[in-house]
Amino acid sequence: DTGVSQNPRHKITKRGQNVTFRCDPISEHNRLYWYRQTLGQGPEFLTYFQNEAQLEKSRLLSDRFSAERPKGSFSTLEIQRTEQGDSAMYLCASGAPSGRGTDTQYFGPGTRLTVL
Amino acid sequence: DAKTTQPNSMESNEEEPVHLPCNHSTISGTDYIHWYRQLPSQGPEYVIHGLTSNVNNRMASLAIAEDRKSSTLILHRATLRDAAVYYCILRAIIQGAQKLVFGQGTRLTINP
Repeated sequence: DTGVSQNPRHKITKRGQNVTFRCDPISEHNRLYWYRQTLGQGPEFLTYFQNEAQLEKSRLLSDRFSAERPKGSFSTLEIQRTEQGDSAMYLCASGAPSGRGTDTQYFGPGTRLTVL
Repeated sequence: DAKTTQPNSMESNEEEPVHLPCNHSTISGTDYIHWYRQLPSQGPEYVIHGLTSNVNNRMASLAIAEDRKSSTLILHRATLRDAAVYYCILRAIIQGAQKLVFGQGTRLTINP
């Protein structure tokens, strides 16, 4: 399968614990995005990488959240001291430049986080 | 970001055409109209996009009003697998990556 993969698919944790999610983008894509989606809402942008550089971060990304893409390939999203409000689906997408206005993003299946 | 307005939900029957509307009255001349959909328990997937002219691909057609203030995603022959939330998103014509700004979308139900 050559699509975007995310691990784990589900994570249950207790409040105050740290969690880390991994995203493996489509191999030739240099752009990688993280989104968060709560029940009944559309996805919300968190952060974006071009190669290994983190170029944009949302205000939603508090100081408890950190994302890395060390070698410009896979990315990790870590949440420290989780809170119940962090419970959501965390989606990763990758893309590559393909002409003006056509930066199609390909999404992974997401990691569902439940904070007890 | 310019806003889009979509109905919260729509219902249709299997094997019938479905027309999903989107209003974007504040669209600028540099905005593309993109559609993504999200099947149950999956991440969103790209459907189609256009600027001024109507567009067709294997998944759907996009009809864009002459004044570009509205557009319609057309599924020509809906199947049960088309039941999803459909998002209409405006994206400016700029170089470089750009986040997607999702609204609430339209939840499409297909009746057998």
